[in-house]
Amino acid sequence: QKEVEQNSGPLSVPEGAIASLNCTYSDRGSQSFFWYRQYSGKSPELIMSIYSNGDKEDGRFTAQLNKASQYVSLLIRDSQPSDSATYLCAVTITEGDGSEKLVFGKGMKLTVNP
Amino acid sequence: KAGVTQTPRYLIKTRGQQVTLSCSPISGHRSVSWYQQTPGQGLQFLFEYFSETQRNKGNFPGRFSGRQFSNSRSEMNVSTLELGDSALYLCASSFWGVNTEAFFGQGTRLTVV
Repeated sequence: QKEVEQNSGPLSVPEGAIASLNCTYSDRGSQSFFWYRQYSGKSPELIMSIYSNGDKEDGRFTAQLNKASQYVSLLIRDSQPSDSATYLCAVTITEGDGSEKLVFGKGMKLTVNP
Repeated sequence: KAGVTQTPRYLIKTRGQQVTLSCSPISGHRSVSWYQQTPGQGLQFLFEYFSETQRNKGNFPGRFSGRQFSNSRSEMNVSTLELGDSALYLCASSFWGVNTEAFFGQGTRLTVV
């Protein structure tokens, strides 16, 4: 079974620090990678998408992709208490029959302390 | 621009009954995917519809089915409900499918008693 793994955490950082979230995946053919944020009791919200090796920056968020090592990470700079949420890594997986699906990691709960 | 709309928001059903959930995607999006979220299993892919056709399917039993209409609205049906079907059901819409950015609705919280 092709998988997406995230450290379950939780991760706690002080306000203003950098939070680093990591994700590994097993399908070498994966082409699309996403980070979602989910507040308690809410639905997932798309933060970043990344398709090519390297870094992609959007405001305080940077996604990093390394296909050779099969990992994708999310850095949150200048963390704010409002960033406290569960962060979900999602990777597009292709099954043996050619079907595709978006597979989510179990999520990492981040707490930013004022 | 309106987001993804799911109805109803909450449902309570009895074991053995069936249920239908509805999802209206973002205008212009042709792909609708359905997910089940539980505390133990996390977010799991059910199936994806694109232009009224089921294009991809996850590893759920045949009790879970869906369809998509010509206006891209989608419905998901669960027959012969089991206690383990209690979950948050989420739909997500995107332009082209699971390889492109997808946006979630608020979800339907289903409780089976």
